[in-house]
Amino acid sequence: GAGVSQSPRYKVTKRGQDVALRCDPISGHVSLYWYRQALGQGPEFLTYFNYEAQQDKSGLPNDRFSAERPEGSISTLTIQRTEQRDSAMYRCASSPRGGLNTEAFFGQGTRLTVV
Amino acid sequence: EDQVTQSPEALRLQEGESSSLNCSYTVSGLRGLFWYRQDPGKGPEFLFTLYSAGEEKEKERLKATLTKKESFLHITAPKPEDSATYLCAVQVRNTGNQFYFGTGTSLTVIP
Repeated sequence: GAGVSQSPRYKVTKRGQDVALRCDPISGHVSLYWYRQALGQGPEFLTYFNYEAQQDKSGLPNDRFSAERPEGSISTLTIQRTEQRDSAMYRCASSPRGGLNTEAFFGQGTRLTVV
Repeated sequence: EDQVTQSPEALRLQEGESSSLNCSYTVSGLRGLFWYRQDPGKGPEFLFTLYSAGEEKEKERLKATLTKKESFLHITAPKPEDSATYLCAVQVRNTGNQFYFGTGTSLTVIP
């Protein structure tokens, strides 16, 4: 597609449930990033991939969070046993050429609310 | 510890009143500094990349500059449609490709 697509746009889930957030990057982009953004704050790094390889997951808050990109394109961020503090905007971004010195293009985000 | 600090947090300008936004960084080896614009409810939109001190980039009413310690986003004769949050981010050598973002400056331009 023309831009980074994320789904769903909004997700409301009960505490303790698992959720899966999907990111469809710009076609051909090598790098894919997941960020979390609280209201009034800049995006906070979670993890990123080059092709299908997860290069860095140091930003994932704990082991309830995981991400995959099995075929080097679409990625899924999974949060298990959700807690209220997980409520935030989750943003995906992609960039070409392995992300080195190149800008990232962001999607519209998924607003997750845990009740 | 690598840090990115933006100031001011919020800025209100009259239409046509030029000003500058600041992004200060303390990182061990800057690979690149990026400016983004973010409108409410939308993802950040890329504006500029700067790689080395002394570099400048321009786009319409915006000009970004870079020194060894900070970057400025100069806004000349702003219009109401320039109202948005402006984010800066850095890529740091030896820490992979991730972008470290500041908290942003919320700009409001009053007609």
